[in-house]
Amino acid sequence: NAGVTQTPKFRILKIGQSMTLQCTQDMNHNYMYWYRQDPGMGLKLIYYSVGAGITDKGEVPNGYNVSRSTTEDFPLRLELAAPSQTSVYFCASTQGTEQYFGPGTRLTVT
Amino acid sequence: QQQVKQSPQSLIVQKGGISIINCAYENTAFDYFPWYQQFPGKGPALLIAIRPDVSEKKEGRFTISFNKSAKQFSLHIMDSQPGDSATYFCAARGPYGNKLVFGAGTILRVKS
Repeated sequence: NAGVTQTPKFRILKIGQSMTLQCTQDMNHNYMYWYRQDPGMGLKLIYYSVGAGITDKGEVPNGYNVSRSTTEDFPLRLELAAPSQTSVYFCASTQGTEQYFGPGTRLTVT
Repeated sequence: QQQVKQSPQSLIVQKGGISIINCAYENTAFDYFPWYQQFPGKGPALLIAIRPDVSEKKEGRFTISFNKSAKQFSLHIMDSQPGDSATYFCAARGPYGNKLVFGAGTILRVKS
């Protein structure tokens, strides 16, 4: 099993550009999550999903969108990128208590 | 009420010493308290976890102590090793959506 995979690993965006961060898990987990990690701030939940077709906002959803058309995939969309979205983004999944994290995407908006 | 407060921000311990990281929470609806370990450039990984009906859980050199009345829990790393140098996050699970609320993290450095 590959677990949770994320692409790309790194990306530089210009202000106002858009992009999609990809997340795929092969563990047949119903729950999936997107977090952002900023220095000294821990992990903040952006969006989450409890199953295909169901998504909900987390603590910091502004400027982001998600979809969940399949159990495996949970892409995160950034529209009109802003410098405040410079961060490391992690996708995670779980079927019980332990959340399994992907390797992260480091995004810089300049 | 959804916050988990973690201290210290950073910690330096000599090899063989004990590392202690503390967390406090307010929401009594939290029902599961994990600790995650993160190495540079990697995603966090579950280290050890506890439920509120247990006061202590030990796995090898890692122990969680849980004080329900004080709404505090801590991670103890015995015989700390340079390979333990990482960032540690405490977390708490809320009642809806299997969501975790994370502390701000502690950067641990173990000096050899």
